[in-house]
Amino acid sequence: EIQLQESGPGLVKPSQSLSLTCSVTGYTITSGYDWSWIRKFPGNKMEWMGYISYSGSTNYNPSLKSRISITRDTSKNQFFLQLNSVTTEDTATYYCARGRRLMDAWGQGASVTVSS
Amino acid sequence: DVQMTQSPSYLAASPGESVFISCKASKSISNYLAWYQQKPGEANKLLIYSGSTLQSGTPSRFSGSGSGTDFTLTIRNLEPEDFAVYYCQQYYEKPYTFGAGTKLELK
Repeated sequence: EIQLQESGPGLVKPSQSLSLTCSVTGYTITSGYDWSWIRKFPGNKMEWMGYISYSGSTNYNPSLKSRISITRDTSKNQFFLQLNSVTTEDTATYYCARGRRLMDAWGQGASVTVSS
Repeated sequence: DVQMTQSPSYLAASPGESVFISCKASKSISNYLAWYQQKPGEANKLLIYSGSTLQSGTPSRFSGSGSGTDFTLTIRNLEPEDFAVYYCQQYYEKPYTFGAGTKLELK
């Protein structure tokens, strides 16, 4: 059974970078599927942020394109989110998921607050 | 971006009842629509894709309908475990976008 688990700091200061890790068990991230990050803002709005493919290519939401980077470590079966120059508007619960268009397995989410 | 308008935002119902959740797209998305269930402390579940195809493991009391711009999630004979937040999502074009969510609460 596939499981995904987000991890990372729960508090980030404005203008700094937000970095999260998604650890995947039960499936090898290079075997197929793409791997996405999605976030849910306070108030429940959900935003698709971007994905990294099983081959390592990436695609990002244009609204974030200048600030976001998704990478991976295949030896650890993990993929990562980095979001630069964060503001309080980046306060959200961040989810990793399997899939690019359809997300059929999700982590439980990591809450990140941007505050000084 | 394709805007997804989901309604109602809040719905109260009792076990055994049927409920209907609407999702409208700002342009035609054919049948590239998914429904997800979100519960506190649990991983989100993909319930339905392609507008009406049940994901493996989704109970048959869930159904989806619609195409183009108008879609509906129907839950018949509500069970206690169905009280959750439901989201629609279009995957017709990037950026993939979600509805604002419908919170289904116990009446």
